[in-house]
Amino acid sequence: DIVMTQAPLSLPVTPGEPASISCRSSQSLLHSNGNEYLDWYLQKPGQSPQLLIYWGSNRAPGVPDRFSGSGSGTDFTLQISRVEAEDVGVYYCMQALQIPLTFGGGTKVEIK
Amino acid sequence: EVQLVESGGGLVQPGGSLKLSCAASGLSFSGSDIHWVRQASGKGLEWVARIRAKGYNYATAYAASVTGRFIIFRDDSKDTAYLQMNSLETEDTAVYYCSRYVPNSGRFFDYWGQGALVTVSS
Repeated sequence: DIVMTQAPLSLPVTPGEPASISCRSSQSLLHSNGNEYLDWYLQKPGQSPQLLIYWGSNRAPGVPDRFSGSGSGTDFTLQISRVEAEDVGVYYCMQALQIPLTFGGGTKVEIK
Repeated sequence: EVQLVESGGGLVQPGGSLKLSCAASGLSFSGSDIHWVRQASGKGLEWVARIRAKGYNYATAYAASVTGRFIIFRDDSKDTAYLQMNSLETEDTAVYYCSRYVPNSGRFFDYWGQGALVTVSS
């Protein structure tokens, strides 16, 4: 199974400031078709997860452009250019290269 | 509006059984892959099982932790997927989410249900 590791575990942020979350996989997520199968999800308090980013860097419909994803192979990053209060919650990366699908342990973003 | 609605959660004793349902509306259910993902209280997300659409022969897959105990199946005439959980263990206590997975050209979950709580306890 592919192991996903996120850092940091907790991320206190100041509104208006940038934030960055790292995700590493135990093996490359690059498919032979050229896609990187790494997704990012946000689970807001009391809610189900929601898709933010797919293929490592593609924003899902309706996701604000302050969210961006980057990376390749085994190292990926989710960046929020200017954090807003509504961005609090737990962020998860997930590899979709192979079954079983596996998630990172999560990064809790909270407002300072 | 797309909706996935889970039901069937509850309290069950260790060794018991429970069947969860996931009723879909607002999407092409028969053409969708459906997955179950669970989350223990205060913990992260854990993938549980998958059933593919008819075009992929309803292929199923399971996490090692539930293989041999859980069965995923679907009834496209009812736009509903199910998770039959047998030989339940206390470690199976979690909120269970069903979700629609966009395969092949996608490979992401675009819709999630609200979750069903399963508690395994004596």
